[in-house]
Amino acid sequence: GIQVEQSPPDLILQEGANSTLRCNFSDSVNNLQWFHQNPWGQLINLFYIPSGTKQNGRLSATTVATERYSLLYISSSQTTDSGVYFCAVLYTGNQFYFGTGTSLTVIP
Amino acid sequence: EAQVTQNPRYLITVTGKKLTVTCSQNMNHEYMSWYRQDPGLGLRQIYYSMNVEVTDKGDVPEGYKVSRKEKRNFPLILESPSPNQTSLYFCASSFLIYNEQFFGPGTRLTVL
Repeated sequence: GIQVEQSPPDLILQEGANSTLRCNFSDSVNNLQWFHQNPWGQLINLFYIPSGTKQNGRLSATTVATERYSLLYISSSQTTDSGVYFCAVLYTGNQFYFGTGTSLTVIP
Repeated sequence: EAQVTQNPRYLITVTGKKLTVTCSQNMNHEYMSWYRQDPGLGLRQIYYSMNVEVTDKGDVPEGYKVSRKEKRNFPLILESPSPNQTSLYFCASSFLIYNEQFFGPGTRLTVL
């Protein structure tokens, strides 16, 4: 299968700081999505971004498919941003593969 | 309210006792999927369904069955659960495979 690697595995930020999360994948993919899993376990879709750049409030994402990576930017972080961030790729047609996640803790 | 629901939310059972975890969506989505989440491994896809009566194996299908008789429902069946199936299970759906996925609240299963 495909390898999906996320970095860093853990991140601790002061409230108000900015951060960049990275997702690398080892082969061409058809689809890439970013998710946030909050401390209560709920998974929320942040971006569907197979290529290009998208922004939603303080969050933005960029995927460079030809170089096999995607970046998630969080600006002016808030305590509610805490949780685990996953990227997921659609590979060989119909199967999704998730990275192992970046655990973010934002302290006040 | 548009949502994906799963039942039960928590389940403790014993080895070999057949169980079913239900998943239902009210968004008329065609694509549905089951994942399991284990510490350090992220989420891994168990089975997926492109539409009614169309299902296929994901990355970790051993020990699981699914069915898709109606568009809204996609139950996960464990015919003979074993302790290595203790995990957090998520159902997800999307309008088509290329659209954003919506997740259910999760089912925490413990097999003793």
